[in-house]
Amino acid sequence: AQSVTQPDIHITVSEGASLELRCNYSYGATPYLFWYVQSPGQGLQLLLKYFSGDTLVQGIKGFEAEFKRSQSSFNLRKPSVHWSDAAEYFCAVGAHSSASKIIFGSGTRLSIRP
Amino acid sequence: NAGVTQTPKFRVLKTGQSMTLLCAQDMNHEYMYWYRQDPGMGLRLIHYSVGEGTTAKGEVPDGYNVSRLKKQNFLLGLESAAPSQTSVYFCASSPIPGQNTEAFFGQGTRLTVV
Repeated sequence: AQSVTQPDIHITVSEGASLELRCNYSYGATPYLFWYVQSPGQGLQLLLKYFSGDTLVQGIKGFEAEFKRSQSSFNLRKPSVHWSDAAEYFCAVGAHSSASKIIFGSGTRLSIRP
Repeated sequence: NAGVTQTPKFRVLKTGQSMTLLCAQDMNHEYMYWYRQDPGMGLRLIHYSVGEGTTAKGEVPDGYNVSRLKKQNFLLGLESAAPSQTSVYFCASSPIPGQNTEAFFGQGTRLTVV
């Protein structure tokens, strides 16, 4: 069965500092992976996704993520955060098969220190 | 573009009442999902559908029923609401697994059961 773990519930970083949000997944075959962002009171917006191919994927708003099969990880990174990046971030995993479902992690809340 | 539309956006129910949440998508997607979002628990999959006329249980299906009579609509029913079902409910749709797979979300329904 698919599962996703986001070990960090809440992270605070200073504006301009680099960011890495952790995501570990469990799935027996090659997964497809997503990062979504949710601003307060809003719906979810896709930041980036990995389906196959290049393991370093670029997303919107300057985010990137790297798929590491050996570590079952898909960590999200940004070299320099902006105050507008404060939000909740969700990692999700799906399967390369029919009848698959998309399972989300519990989320990481990002706060930005001025 | 409408995308994924959820109705209603807000609802207050008394314990024991029933209601149906409607999700409509205009992207001709095969897959549709219902999630609930609770603080600290991320999005948990309630039920999902991989095509018209099909439904499957997710992570937290108890107390909910769903129907997918038309490809564009996915209904979530609460037969006898309980306070534990107070949550924000999100519907999503996606194409079948492939390079363009991502889940598109509605804006959510905030349900309070008193």
